[in-house]
Amino acid sequence: DAGVIQSPRHEVTEMGQEVTLRCKPISGHNSLFWYRQTMMRGLELLIYFNNNVPIDDSGMPEDRFSAKMPNASFSTLKIQPSEPRDSAVYFCASHRGYSNQPQHFGDGTRLSIL
Amino acid sequence: DQQVKQNSPSLSVQEGRISILNCDYTNSMFDYFLWYKKYPAEGPTFLISISSIKDKNEDGRFTVFLNKSAKHLSLHIVPSQPGDSAVYFCAASGNAGNMLTFGGGTRLMVKP
Repeated sequence: DAGVIQSPRHEVTEMGQEVTLRCKPISGHNSLFWYRQTMMRGLELLIYFNNNVPIDDSGMPEDRFSAKMPNASFSTLKIQPSEPRDSAVYFCASHRGYSNQPQHFGDGTRLSIL
Repeated sequence: DQQVKQNSPSLSVQEGRISILNCDYTNSMFDYFLWYKKYPAEGPTFLISISSIKDKNEDGRFTVFLNKSAKHLSLHIVPSQPGDSAVYFCAASGNAGNMLTFGGGTRLMVKP
């Protein structure tokens, strides 16, 4: 059974460039979450989708960040333009949608903005 | 305002002994609590959970205890093994949207 798949695993780019992170949730899961992990702030929720619809994007730090979920099997997190302070590990997680069930995480994308 | 706190950033335990990781929360609306384990360069892996209607849940070497009046939960690992060395996150949920609030993590080191 495939887990949550994220790509790329590592991304190094120069500031000002557009960055796109990708996530394929577990089949049958109808909720998807994007997180960012930094030393200073730990694991913080950026945005959450339910049935492909964004439900809560209050964690998205700035307008430079955007996320989409065009279908049940794919989501993107885009940063444009990127800045050095965006450097972090970005995780995607999916969830069945029932109460009292765990979220399942991908292995993350380590993003470095030079 | 940290709603979920893990006050010990690290813990060192001898192999075979008990590891106790602690977590405190402030939001009384939380009703579902989870522990995740994280190895370097991997995503968090679900370990064990507990609903607020229970005060204990056990799965093999792992037991989670919930004290609602104190807003405190703990994870016990018995016996500890070197492979348990990882960062442990507690998380809490309290709404139908299943959003999780995470603690800052505790790094557990189990020495052979």
